[in-house]
Amino acid sequence: ETGVTQTPRHLVMGMTNKKSLKCEQHLGHNAMYWYKQSAKKPLELMFVYSLEERVENNSVPSRFSPECPNSSHLFLHLHTLQPEDSALYLCASSQEWDTTNYGYTFGSGTRLTVV
Amino acid sequence: AQKVTQAQTEISVVEKEDVTLDCVYETRDTTYYLFWYKQPPSGELVFLIRRNSFDEQNEISGRYSWNFQKSTSSFNFTITASQVVDSAVYFCALSGGDFQGAQKLVFGQGTRLTINP
Repeated sequence: ETGVTQTPRHLVMGMTNKKSLKCEQHLGHNAMYWYKQSAKKPLELMFVYSLEERVENNSVPSRFSPECPNSSHLFLHLHTLQPEDSALYLCASSQEWDTTNYGYTFGSGTRLTVV
Repeated sequence: AQKVTQAQTEISVVEKEDVTLDCVYETRDTTYYLFWYKQPPSGELVFLIRRNSFDEQNEISGRYSWNFQKSTSSFNFTITASQVVDSAVYFCALSGGDFQGAQKLVFGQGTRLTINP
């Protein structure tokens, strides 16, 4: 496989459930990101991992918990979500400290619906 | 703070018409990068172009062209002879030019482009 793969593509969960979103990149990149895309809102950066360390947490509620076990995998653990958390969650990767190869690759996203 | 504004929320044109998507940005960085991404119905954001702040040359790639003007802080995108397959949401984005760490893209609100047959 190539590129950035996100699973599942669609997820419906109740407010008391616990679920996880998975992102995997096969590009050898060393930075990974979670973005949230809600209807009629700009893409919002949630978390940034660089060399497996979290370097950014944009005031995201604690019901979202990221995990980056290695440079190829990124998870977003979800628990006790609210209906307003329903959105498209996009994962991206990039190669940092490399000015000749600067660009983001996005996955297809997970469409999350909280009921 | 960095900001990207895409004032056109939705545009609808008939196939073969030319269409321009506007993007205006704000930044205090002297070095920065501008991007355009396409988001088809499948969801993923597809990279179209990156420009750095020191290169104001316009770029053409097939039916796509980009006009970067630092004087007006704009980075507009034109599709010539539009096709139905161009229908998508298009995002303009901005990133600082500091390569000492992970980069963060700031996106505009997106413009939904519909090309009608």
